[in-house]
Amino acid sequence: GDSVTQMEGPVTLSEEAFLTINCTYTATGYPSLFWYVQYPGEGLQLLLKATKADDKGSNKGFEATYRKETTSFHLEKGSVQVSDSAVYFCALSGQGAQKLVFGQGTRLTINP
Amino acid sequence: DAGVIQSPRHEVTEMGQEVTLRCKPISGHDYLFWYRQTMMRGLELLIYFNNNVPIDDSGMPEDRFSAKMPNASFSTLKIQPSEPRDSAVYFCASSLAGVSNEQFFGPGTRLTVL
Repeated sequence: GDSVTQMEGPVTLSEEAFLTINCTYTATGYPSLFWYVQYPGEGLQLLLKATKADDKGSNKGFEATYRKETTSFHLEKGSVQVSDSAVYFCALSGQGAQKLVFGQGTRLTINP
Repeated sequence: DAGVIQSPRHEVTEMGQEVTLRCKPISGHDYLFWYRQTMMRGLELLIYFNNNVPIDDSGMPEDRFSAKMPNASFSTLKIQPSEPRDSAVYFCASSLAGVSNEQFFGPGTRLTVL
């Protein structure tokens, strides 16, 4: 079945550092790919998405590119802030499916 | 729009008691999902509905768990009897069928079973 594998955390960086959180997936056909973010004490919220190969999703300085050849959707940000501290989830929805398959989440802490 | 609404936000109960969690999806959304989040197991999909009909309940851990959606604007997740291992944060999410499949999550209910 479909699955998502994320870089294990926790990840701790200093403010203004470059961030990469790796995500790879296994799915048949052409899934849609998502990054969700969960701030402390809150529910998940969509950060960015990409629905077809080579699409780049972007939001709040974060970017991720749908790479079908490597089945990857790595999350990047050029300069992180303390306010980016949260848990990040990579997810996919199979072609024609409404259900999301989530990775295990990566906890990110940014120190001032 | 108010977003997905869940109640209560926190629930503390004793083992053996019945617990009912409530969810109001975003108006117009036709899918509703119940998730459970724990440190040990991460985020788990329990059950989801389409147009008030349960589609996949394979994630429901056991018969003590049941979920209903009597109408498009309300769903419940019930645990009877509750056990300490049910302690978790339970999220409800809703979505509208279409290209993006984006799910909108509620703030969650933190359940503690003593």
